[in-house]
Amino acid sequence: KAGVTQTPRYLIKTRGQQVTLSCSPISGHRSVSWYQQTPGQGLQFLFEYFSETQRNKGNFPGRFSGRQFSNSRSEMNVSTLELGDSALYLCASSLWEMGGREQFFGPGTRLTVL
Amino acid sequence: GENVEQHPSTLSVQEGDSAVIKCTYSDSASNYFPWYKQELGKRPQLIIDIRSNVGEKKDQRIAVTLNKTAKHFSLHITETQPEDSAVYFCAASTNDKIIFGKGTRLHILP
Repeated sequence: KAGVTQTPRYLIKTRGQQVTLSCSPISGHRSVSWYQQTPGQGLQFLFEYFSETQRNKGNFPGRFSGRQFSNSRSEMNVSTLELGDSALYLCASSLWEMGGREQFFGPGTRLTVL
Repeated sequence: GENVEQHPSTLSVQEGDSAVIKCTYSDSASNYFPWYKQELGKRPQLIIDIRSNVGEKKDQRIAVTLNKTAKHFSLHITETQPEDSAVYFCAASTNDKIIFGKGTRLHILP
């Protein structure tokens, strides 16, 4: 079974721009969660999508948004980029809702904001 | 807000010795406690997990203990090997959200 994939793997943007990241979960998995990983803050939960609905949201500003399609693929969008948004963005999938279940992580998208 | 504290942030042990990483959580609704290992440049991978109705779980050289009363759980790695060098993250999950610790960088010294 193919693992979780993310595209693109690397991105360089400038402040004020917007960016869209994509995540394809393991086949059959219906939950996709997004995380921001930085050296200082570790892994921080952004949001979870299950069956095309945002189920949970972490403490991030409204500039961070996402969606999920009927095939469970998910996209994350960050608008009006700030320097502090530079990070590794990881998505993870699980068979059902992520609460209480193992999540399988993708390789991440490394975003650099200049 | 709710949080998970993880200690130490860096740990160096001699090959063959044991390593212990400790986490405390604040949300009493947490019922699932996974540990993830992230090797340099790679994605996090689950190495062991424990649910709130269990006090201890072991898988070969890795064990996790949970003290619900103290809101404390620990990862124990025995007979450490070079391939154990990585960053380890603990997490506490409720049915609706998950909070990760900030990670422990484990160095295995030859």
